[in-house]
Amino acid sequence: DQQVKQNSPSLSVQEGRISILNCDYTNSMFDYFLWYKKYPAEGPTFLISISSIKDKNEDGRFTVFLNKSAKHLSLHIVPSQPGDSAVYFCAAFAGGTSYGKLTFGQGTILTVHP
Amino acid sequence: KAGVTQTPRYLIKTRGQQVTLSCSPISGHRSVSWYQQTPGQGLQFLFEYFSETQRNKGNFPGRFSGRQFSNSRSEMNVSTLELGDSALYLCASSFNNEQFFGPGTRLTVL
Repeated sequence: DQQVKQNSPSLSVQEGRISILNCDYTNSMFDYFLWYKKYPAEGPTFLISISSIKDKNEDGRFTVFLNKSAKHLSLHIVPSQPGDSAVYFCAAFAGGTSYGKLTFGQGTILTVHP
Repeated sequence: KAGVTQTPRYLIKTRGQQVTLSCSPISGHRSVSWYQQTPGQGLQFLFEYFSETQRNKGNFPGRFSGRQFSNSRSEMNVSTLELGDSALYLCASSFNNEQFFGPGTRLTVL
C-alpha cells in the first residue's frame, strides 16, 4: 500500500524552463509535506515544505502547491538549471504519534538539459 | 552548524555477521530517525528515537535495532546479516517537522 506516489519516474526539461514534479497521497492523516533532492549515494537534501493549513509555499526558485481536496502536491522549479538534475522525493508526515516517520514517494528523476 | 554525520560511510560484511552504524545529529536536535534505501523498496522508515527512547518503529524484523545516547547520538545495529540488507542506511535529525539527512552508510552484504 503505497501512501505517497510519484507517478512520473522521470522528467526532462530545457534549461530556463519550468520543471513541475507531482506527488499524490492517499492518507488523510498526512498534515505536513516535504520535498527533497537526492544524488546517488548521498543523503536527501531538504528543499521546501508545506503545512496542510497552507496551499502554497515559496522559497526562491522553488514553490510547492498543495491541493488537499485532490490529495495532490506539486513542486515548481523556475527557472530550471542543469544543477537541478537529481532525483526528487516528496515525503509526508502525519502528526500525532507518527514520531519521526516520513513516508516517501518513489522519486522522480529530473534532467535539465543546457 | 555542522550537519548530520554518519560513520562509517562504507561497509562490507558477510552473511551472518552483525553491524553497528553511528549517527551524530545536528547540535540541538533531539530526534533521530533511521531509514533504509534500496532500489526496490525506496526509502523505508526504520525507527525514531527521542531523548534516548524509541518512540516509533517501522515494519522491519527484530534483527534491526537501535539506541540513542544522552548526547542524542544514535546507533543502529543489524544482527545476522542477510544479502537483502544491502542498502544505503540514512539517519536524519529533526527540528519541528523538518528532517535533515546525513550522507548515509552504504552497507554491502556478501
